Amino acid sequence: DGGITQSPKYLFRKEGQNVTLSCEQNLNHDAMYWYRQDPGQGLRLIYYSQIVNDFQKGDIAEGYSVSREKKESFPLTVTSAQKNPTAFYLCASIPDRTYTDTQYFGPGTRLTVL
Amino acid sequence: GNSVTQMEGPVTLSEEAFLTINCTYTATGYPSLFWYVQYPGEGLQLLLKATKADDKGSNKGFEATYRKETTSFHLEKGSVQVSDSAVYFCALSDRETSGSRLTFGEGTQLTVNP
Repeated sequence: DGGITQSPKYLFRKEGQNVTLSCEQNLNHDAMYWYRQDPGQGLRLIYYSQIVNDFQKGDIAEGYSVSREKKESFPLTVTSAQKNPTAFYLCASIPDRTYTDTQYFGPGTRLTVL
Repeated sequence: GNSVTQMEGPVTLSEEAFLTINCTYTATGYPSLFWYVQYPGEGLQLLLKATKADDKGSNKGFEATYRKETTSFHLEKGSVQVSDSAVYFCALSDRETSGSRLTFGEGTQLTVNP
């Protein structure tokens, strides 16, 4: 079955440590996105990538980094510079860059900083 | 810039009640409009969408009509079920915005009681 996978589902990190969240898709989609969701709030865009080896900052990129070395993979690193990293992180993708396209979401990773 | 405003929640209804969740938007171009649903602990799923004015999106008994004159995309369902309990997000994307990124409302928590 095609889809987007995120791992792990739950992640715990000590303060001061970097951590990488995985996002993989086998849908052959061009564009991929990372969102952050906080309780009672909508989703905020962290980074996005429209093609391999290229990515753009979203609204809240500070303290995060990404890479896009392969079309199917878009990992997100939460660095120690991120002041409040505890949140639910969602990865998404769309078939191409057409604005009418539906974004498909992964199941999410819940990150907790201890 | 683009923005989406949803009615404040949470919303609590009895089974078989009529549902309306209001959504209004501000966009510089001609956006596509979406409703996504999030069940507890999961990612987002597309519920319905509309890509041009006067289009009606529908799915699983839910409907929303793209109203350009009132910049609205209100979600309705004639008879809700307990299984409809979830968080509902209104969102938009437009061709003017780089990367086909989505702009989300804050979400509306719906609880349906038996």
